[in-house]
Amino acid sequence: EAGVVQSPRYKIIEKKQPVAFWCNPISGHNTLYWYLQNLGQGPELLIRYENEEAVDDSQLPKDRFSAERLKGVDSTLKIQPAELGDSAVYLCASRGGRGSNTGELFFGEGSRLTVL
Amino acid sequence: SQQGEEDPQALSIQEGENATMNCSYKTSINNLQWYRQNSGRGLVHLILIRSNEREKHSGRLRVTLDTSKKSSSLLITASRAADTASYFCAAYTGTASKLTFGTGTRLQVTL
Repeated sequence: EAGVVQSPRYKIIEKKQPVAFWCNPISGHNTLYWYLQNLGQGPELLIRYENEEAVDDSQLPKDRFSAERLKGVDSTLKIQPAELGDSAVYLCASRGGRGSNTGELFFGEGSRLTVL
Repeated sequence: SQQGEEDPQALSIQEGENATMNCSYKTSINNLQWYRQNSGRGLVHLILIRSNEREKHSGRLRVTLDTSKKSSSLLITASRAADTASYFCAAYTGTASKLTFGTGTRLQVTL
């Protein structure tokens, strides 16, 4: 079974430029998460999807961040324009398990963003 | 925001020794999970303990949960160099399917 796939793994951009990250969750997983991880810290939730619906985006800085999950499968996270403080690792995770909303998450390898 | 605070922040031991890391959390939980993250990689689920359980084992891992103290501990026995990684506790709270992570413990196991 293929795991959660993220791309790109690394991205270096100059500030004020746009950037996009892509995530393909495990097949059949309805719940998809985007987390932000700063160096030496734990992941912090940005947005959670149940199928194609964003059910928790309270932590997403909506002035510059946007996300979508068309057709309830893969997802894209965009930053426009990027700021120096956005340098971090962006992690995607998915969860399956019908009837259970408290199971384990499966993570991708992450997309490391460096803003110069 | 982080749900859990982990202690210690960093731990260095020799191969063969046991490693214990602790997690304290703030609110009532449905379950508590531990994840491992190797440098530059994603997180991998290790073990889950439900709020009505007090102890759970999986191979060389032993997890305890004390809901009265809002704390959990992860014990790795007979550590190996390959156990070198960061370890995070995480918890679901309330009715939302939101998994919130702690700040992590960086474990270094030397030969």
